[in-house]
Amino acid sequence: ETGVTQTPRHLVMGMTNKKSLKCEQHLGHNAMYWYKQSAKKPLELMFVYNFKEQTENNSVPSRFSPECPNSSHLFLHLHTLQPEDSALYLCASSQAGGARLTGELFFGEGSRLTVL
Amino acid sequence: SQQGEEDPQALSIQEGENATMNCSYKTSINNLQWYRQNSGRGLVHLILIRSNEREKHSGRLRVTLDTSKKSSSLLITASRAADTASYFCATPHGSGNTGKLIFGQGTTLQVKP
Repeated sequence: ETGVTQTPRHLVMGMTNKKSLKCEQHLGHNAMYWYKQSAKKPLELMFVYNFKEQTENNSVPSRFSPECPNSSHLFLHLHTLQPEDSALYLCASSQAGGARLTGELFFGEGSRLTVL
Repeated sequence: SQQGEEDPQALSIQEGENATMNCSYKTSINNLQWYRQNSGRGLVHLILIRSNEREKHSGRLRVTLDTSKKSSSLLITASRAADTASYFCATPHGSGNTGKLIFGQGTTLQVKP
């Protein structure tokens, strides 16, 4: 139990569906992240939120839409995805900023997405 | 862009042996972190070494950092079957401690009982 909870753990969707991934952190952190992990590729940083404000969009296609209503919750809204978007989507949180802080990430267990 | 690159990509050893994984990176860093991932699960932070440190220990883990060579190594001593997992090095992207990490492709370690 890392203090970061992701739901659902598994999701199968068609290319025309709309679905959302949810992430909740109970660690009091001020930053949250979405990473994508595809087979045989390094983890790809998708989005970063600091104090609910998006500070990074790593050239992610608009069919992925993040939402961060507060520092504890992060969503990834999915629509008209492609089969190549099938991957493990990992949410993470950290206490970012400050000279003594390390930027260590706490990850959820991930949401395994399959796009048919 | 990919920052850390692990070597080897896969490693298979017997229980009780030591496992060494290496990581190379390209730009200056203020710290380097190692993470572990069991199959299909999230990543778990193992250890962080700062740029002014050369070696750090945590239980059976030993991490070294050579900033002149831009490389780090993770040594797991007296390995156990439960150590079977993928191991990733990660370095901060940009300045400061923002938590934005760039990960390598990882080393897949198999420890045979």
